[in-house]
Amino acid sequence: NAGVTQTPKFQVLKTGQSMTLQCAQDMNHNSMYWYRQDPGMGLRLIYYSASEGTTDKGEVPNGYNVSRLNKREFSLRLESAAPSQTSVYFCASSMTDATDTQYFGPGTRLTVL
Amino acid sequence: GESVGLHLPTLSVQEGDNSIINCAYSNSASDYFIWYKQESGKGPQFIIDIRSNMDKRQGQRVTVLLNKTVKHLSLQIAATQPGDSAVYFCAESLPGGGYQKVTFGTGTKLQVIP
Repeated sequence: NAGVTQTPKFQVLKTGQSMTLQCAQDMNHNSMYWYRQDPGMGLRLIYYSASEGTTDKGEVPNGYNVSRLNKREFSLRLESAAPSQTSVYFCASSMTDATDTQYFGPGTRLTVL
Repeated sequence: GESVGLHLPTLSVQEGDNSIINCAYSNSASDYFIWYKQESGKGPQFIIDIRSNMDKRQGQRVTVLLNKTVKHLSLQIAATQPGDSAVYFCAESLPGGGYQKVTFGTGTKLQVIP
């Protein structure tokens, strides 16, 4: 039981490049989330998915898109990376909603030059 | 305690002593609170939670205290061990279970001195 896995662990992009961050969970959870974590700030919700086939914007969705490919997988895409998107990105999942215990992945450290 | 600045507050504790980490939450309507532990280079890990109808909850070596009057939450760690060294942050949630209604604090760094 791996919990929540994320790939890649590290990534460096140039401004304007695109990439997709992958996330998968094997706990049969219904809800999945993408957060970013910046120094001096708490985790901020980018997008979430309450169930397979549904996605919704969180607090800071601009510049990102997501896909809930199936119940296990939830990907985050940066279409045209900007330096302001330099951050550590965490995927999380929970059985029901965000007030249920959230299990986090190990994170992806992204640098945009 | 919690900080909204760029530098995390740091609590240094001798191994074996008790640690108390504080959190001031923002919304008096919040009814669910969670403490997370985040080790360097890892994702946050759930430690303990408490609902607003309680003022104390105990886990294994950890206790969370909730004071709704002053909107204050604390995490007590008994007999602190080197493995407890991490950043600890609280989260608050508003009623209704909404997905966007969880607010995370910035954290306190706990350093355990062997």
